Amino acid sequence: ETGVTQTPRHLVMGMTNKKSLKCEQHLGHNAMYWYKQSAKKPLELMFVYNFKEQTENNSVPSRFSPECPNSSHLFLHLHTLQPEDSALYLCASSQQPLGQGSNEQYFGPGTRLTVT
Amino acid sequence: DQQVKQNSPSLSVQEGRISILNCDYTNSMFDYFLWYKKYPAEGPTFLISISSIKDKNEDGRFTVFLNKSAKHLSLHIVPSQPGDSAVYFCAASNFGNEKLTFGTGTRLTIIP
Repeated sequence: ETGVTQTPRHLVMGMTNKKSLKCEQHLGHNAMYWYKQSAKKPLELMFVYNFKEQTENNSVPSRFSPECPNSSHLFLHLHTLQPEDSALYLCASSQQPLGQGSNEQYFGPGTRLTVT
Repeated sequence: DQQVKQNSPSLSVQEGRISILNCDYTNSMFDYFLWYKKYPAEGPTFLISISSIKDKNEDGRFTVFLNKSAKHLSLHIVPSQPGDSAVYFCAASNFGNEKLTFGTGTRLTIIP
């Protein structure tokens, strides 16, 4: 595998379910990000991890819980989501951490989430 | 409040002609700008960038122009090829706070 991979690619879940999204980067990068893309809206940054430490939580509701066990893996745990949380969730990574020349981010293909 | 705006949701261009995608921003603190390209079922891929100390950056068929006074940048693709059909996102950041702020994207269709 190369680049940034995400699983699953599609997920349908009920509002009472618990599920997790997984992201893995094979680039040796030091920072990882979760973004949300809703229909006709810009990509919204959700969370940032620099060297496995969370450095940014962009006012994301607690029903989204990130986890970064090491610099190559990032998870997004989902619990009691709402239908308006249906969106494309993108993971990204960058060589340098946020604030240290990390402008170029490399994205995974995304997980298309539908909450019913 | 959308700080990065791509006012054209779609654009169709004949193959071989020039494609011009536009982007406006409101935050004067932005000093680094990027264009990403996205195919269906794939994540955005980095295409080209420009720092605010320049007004032009070229990479093969792709050129980005920056007009700081107008807070406007544009991406020129020449000649346009069918493989250029994709959604193009403009993004901006500023030194010391390098979160990317994205526009909503422009869907470019190249007509053979």
